[in-house]
Amino acid sequence: AQSVAQPEDQVNVAEGNPLTVKCTYSVSGNPYLFWYVQYPNRGLQFLLKYITGDNLVKGSYGFEAEFNKSQTSFHLKKPSALVSDSALYFCAVRSYTGTASKLTFGTGTRLQVTL
Amino acid sequence: SQTIHQWPATLVQPVGSPLSLECTVEGTSNPNLYWYRQAAGRGLQLLFYSVGIGQISSEVPQNLSASRPQDRQFILSSKKLLLSDSGFYLCAWSVGQGREQYFGPGTRLTVT
Repeated sequence: AQSVAQPEDQVNVAEGNPLTVKCTYSVSGNPYLFWYVQYPNRGLQFLLKYITGDNLVKGSYGFEAEFNKSQTSFHLKKPSALVSDSALYFCAVRSYTGTASKLTFGTGTRLQVTL
Repeated sequence: SQTIHQWPATLVQPVGSPLSLECTVEGTSNPNLYWYRQAAGRGLQLLFYSVGIGQISSEVPQNLSASRPQDRQFILSSKKLLLSDSGFYLCAWSVGQGREQYFGPGTRLTVT
């Protein structure tokens, strides 16, 4: 079965510093990987995805993610964090049933950016 | 552009009462539709998904059911709510394979 793991419940970073939110995956076949962000009492917003191609994927709001096949990782990064980036971040992996794609989400990592 | 709506936004219901949550999508045709539940502000659990009208797949046995009476309408129901049904319910849609899902604003359900 496809799965992702987010080893950190919370990540704290000062505004202006680079941030990394970690995700590792376990899949059979080629991975389709996604990052989402959730603000309090809101739905999830899509940030970026990796399907194939360049290992560095650029997404919304200045976020990027690095796909590393040998380490089975897909870490989310941003060069300079903003207080407004504080939110809950989810990594997800796609599985395909033959008729539909499904996403399996990690447990989420809370990002806290402070002044 | 595509939009997804969910209502109601919040709901407080007594144990044993029925439930109906509605999700509609605009601006796309024949989407795949999904219902998730999020407990305690953390992990998402896929409850149901649908690839077309009347086609429902259930992911976990539970007290809930889903229906898709129209192409862009997805309904989550229960005949008798349990305390454990409390949570944040999210609807999502996608089109095609390998494509991302787009989520609605969610419904906060509290069963008392």
